[in-house]
Amino acid sequence: EPEVTQTPSHQVTQMGQEVILRCVPISNHLYFYWYRQILGQKVEFLVSFYNNEISEKSEIFDDQFSVERPDGSNFTLKIRSTKLEDSAMYFCASVRTSYEQYFGPGTRLTVT
Amino acid sequence: QKEVEQDPGPLSVPEGAIVSLNCTYSNSAFQYFMWYRQYSRKGPELLMYTYSSGNKEDGRFTAQVDKSSKYISLFIRDSQPSDSATYLCAMSPSSGYSTLTFGKGTMLLVSP
Repeated sequence: EPEVTQTPSHQVTQMGQEVILRCVPISNHLYFYWYRQILGQKVEFLVSFYNNEISEKSEIFDDQFSVERPDGSNFTLKIRSTKLEDSAMYFCASVRTSYEQYFGPGTRLTVT
Repeated sequence: QKEVEQDPGPLSVPEGAIVSLNCTYSNSAFQYFMWYRQYSRKGPELLMYTYSSGNKEDGRFTAQVDKSSKYISLFIRDSQPSDSATYLCAMSPSSGYSTLTFGKGTMLLVSP
């Protein structure tokens, strides 16, 4: 069964460094999301992406964040200058229909 | 008032018990309701989804929505130790590619 994959599984970075989190959505899915989950907290929406542009973004998704679909398969989330509070699990989701969002295993980002 | 509320648990039950998991919500615009299962340090896995009010059954799982009370439930029959996980409710307002609003999740522990 097709699944969403994410790399790396764990990323440790120093405050102020740039990180790129990668996702390979399910092929033939057209709508993609990034969510994050701070330890012990809710899964929170960051951004949605369709047809090579941002469809919607939350207030969390400020100028430090960007998303890109550099080729036909990868979907990336970049954080330009990481802060301690960016430490979280980041999940990519791939959508077939509006309510069938399939999540990847996540990338655990630790900012020190 | 928080948009989606869910008792964090943990809820501990013996194997074979019927489990009831619940969420309340405040936004009457929500029309689509989902239940996700999340194992520790993994991505959310879609279990079931329902539209508007009513019941939906899938094997040992039954999802119930009462829009008049803004209350949704997930019932698990004949619970198994492998059902031990965190159960997240999520909801969205429309059939378009809407973002999901999650509850915080209820941790379920099924003991053999």
